[in-house]
Amino acid sequence: DAKTTQPPSMDCAEGRAANLPCNHSTISGNEYVYWYRQIHSQGPQYIIHGLKNNETNEMASLIITEDRKSSTLILPHATLRDTAVYYCIATRGGNSNYQLIWGAGTKLIIKP
Amino acid sequence: GAVVSQHPSWVICKSGTSVKIECRSLDFQATTMFWYRQFPKQSLMLMATSNEGSKATYEQGVEKDKFLINHASLTLSTLTVTSAHPEDSSFYICSAPVVLANQPQHFGDGTRLSIL
Repeated sequence: DAKTTQPPSMDCAEGRAANLPCNHSTISGNEYVYWYRQIHSQGPQYIIHGLKNNETNEMASLIITEDRKSSTLILPHATLRDTAVYYCIATRGGNSNYQLIWGAGTKLIIKP
Repeated sequence: GAVVSQHPSWVICKSGTSVKIECRSLDFQATTMFWYRQFPKQSLMLMATSNEGSKATYEQGVEKDKFLINHASLTLSTLTVTSAHPEDSSFYICSAPVVLANQPQHFGDGTRLSIL
């Protein structure tokens, strides 16, 4: 699985959009980009994933560059409850039994 | 949606005790489940892959005899920490992939294990 690089921490004002970057320059053609978050002392929560196209769901938007070497997770209107560690993971799709390799993630702090 | 239930959520016990943690897939079948360990302020580290009906696959450095994994059915995997010691104190998390390809893995809420 491709290695991902994320900034260790970020701040964002409540109500503003939080943009979390992720570099995955060695991603291969069959690897998807997944985003999870972990609120303190809880299990990881799935946010969104994509292969090539930009994706949007009720939680967030995922913007993937055309060369797929980087992506950005966008939380459109951050709330205090979005404070968590966000993990960007590149892993093979097409197989339900994939392992997820977890990096250090980005600690996002939403400030009132 | 698919849910993974993990039990217990918190356990405190004396050194030398064996502790069993259960991971259940509630509305889907999981032929594979993953077990992770997380120390404070660190990321998740994969310990082992649990396979229904066969032996688990352990990551390098994880003691098979220390962390016993049993995946007896398509909805239940258990992790038993045998003869636990204070250094085994950690946050243990399980996950299960959904059968359909490219679907997100679902995670349990984790088990906080404290060995006195």
